[in-house]
Amino acid sequence: EVQLVESGGGLVQPGGSLRLSCAASGFTFSSFWMSWVRQAPGKGLEWVANIKQDGSEKYYVASMKGRFTISRDNAKNSLYLQMDSLRVEDTAMYYCARGRVLAVNWGQGTLVTVSS
Amino acid sequence: IVLTQSPATLSLSPGERATLSCGANQSVSNNYLAWYQQKPGLAPRLVIYDSSSRATGIPDRFSGRGSGTDFTLTITRLEAEDFAVYFCQQYGSAPLSFGGGTKVEI
Repeated sequence: EVQLVESGGGLVQPGGSLRLSCAASGFTFSSFWMSWVRQAPGKGLEWVANIKQDGSEKYYVASMKGRFTISRDNAKNSLYLQMDSLRVEDTAMYYCARGRVLAVNWGQGTLVTVSS
Repeated sequence: IVLTQSPATLSLSPGERATLSCGANQSVSNNYLAWYQQKPGLAPRLVIYDSSSRATGIPDRFSGRGSGTDFTLTITRLEAEDFAVYFCQQYGSAPLSFGGGTKVEI
């Protein structure tokens, strides 16, 4: 069974940083593109970033490029999202998803709250 | 590509048929259109991809159709577990985009 478990969310002040992690199991992690998708409270979904199997290609939504960095460690079956220069509008549930442009499997999410 | 879902809310009873619409402001390449179901407090779940293919484990009362700029998700004979919010997503061109969602409520 595919399992994706996110962690690392929390309360951070504007301008601060957080690193999210996603532990994957139940599939060959190194064979799949992985993505981060977010959802602001009570709002719709927004694709954040994705990363190729070997980490050689990474794509970001324009509004997050330069502030967010997606990475992975295939030896640890883990996906990461380093978030810097956080803004109030980055407040959201962040989901880890298996897939490049289609989120076939999702984690339960980790909540990031940016507030002073 | 901007996706507009209608209606915003659909009030129906179990056993009834639900028809959800997703319109795009430009043609969705290769009809790369997906539908996700989200229940309160839970992560979304893939229901339909490539406009009309059901994801693994999705019952056949769910069906998708459409092409170009107009897409539809139909749920025949609604069951209690189907009441949720449904989002459409296009993945034919960057940036990937989602619709605002349709809530199917009792």
